[in-house]
Amino acid sequence: DSGVTQTPKHLITATGQRVTLRCSPRSGDLSVYWYQQSLDQGLQFLIQYYNGEERAKGNILERFSAQQFPDLHSELNLSSLELGDSALYFCASSVDATTSGRTDTQYFGPGTRLTVL
Amino acid sequence: AQKITQTQPGMFVQEKEAVTLDCTYDTSDPSYGLFWYKQPSSGEMIFLIYQGSYDQQNATEGRYSLNFQKARKSANLVISASQLGDSAMYFCAMRGGYNKLIFGAGTRLAVHP
Repeated sequence: DSGVTQTPKHLITATGQRVTLRCSPRSGDLSVYWYQQSLDQGLQFLIQYYNGEERAKGNILERFSAQQFPDLHSELNLSSLELGDSALYFCASSVDATTSGRTDTQYFGPGTRLTVL
Repeated sequence: AQKITQTQPGMFVQEKEAVTLDCTYDTSDPSYGLFWYKQPSSGEMIFLIYQGSYDQQNATEGRYSLNFQKARKSANLVISASQLGDSAMYFCAMRGGYNKLIFGAGTRLAVHP
């Protein structure tokens, strides 16, 4: 158990719908990262938050957005869903995005498997 | 641009034997970090081992060791005394800008009894 929690574990929805994925980082971790794992794209970085503020964006679609709340949990919002959005979405956390080295190790949650029908 | 290459889509090994999973990387940054993660069939990503670019010694964590050859830009994972529970996907990753991880395509390891 990495200490990172994600809910829900599975999500099945229809095209055009909107869903929210939730993540709670490990106790003491200030940084939250979101990744998408799909068969055709592999593991791709989406977005990073550090202590409530957006720090970096990756290959995140405009239909997707995220935020990190004062208690450091994070939510990833996916809207106008398409079949191609079906994937495993991971949240990861680390102690401090501004340092490098071992303390920067990212620990992953169990993931949310999204299926868009 | 930073890139991770894992050239072995699949590997198999006999139980109790050692196996090496290949990883090469490309970066122009003098300071970087390399990670290996394990993804069992259940789907979670499990951190295994970390190697910093300035670390003098190869990293080891229990049965996992990292064969770090800086000049060749390789960071191969060595698993000693393979167990059936080691059957999984293994991903090599590099820390990129703002500490995001850049992953390779992964290697599927099958351990045979």
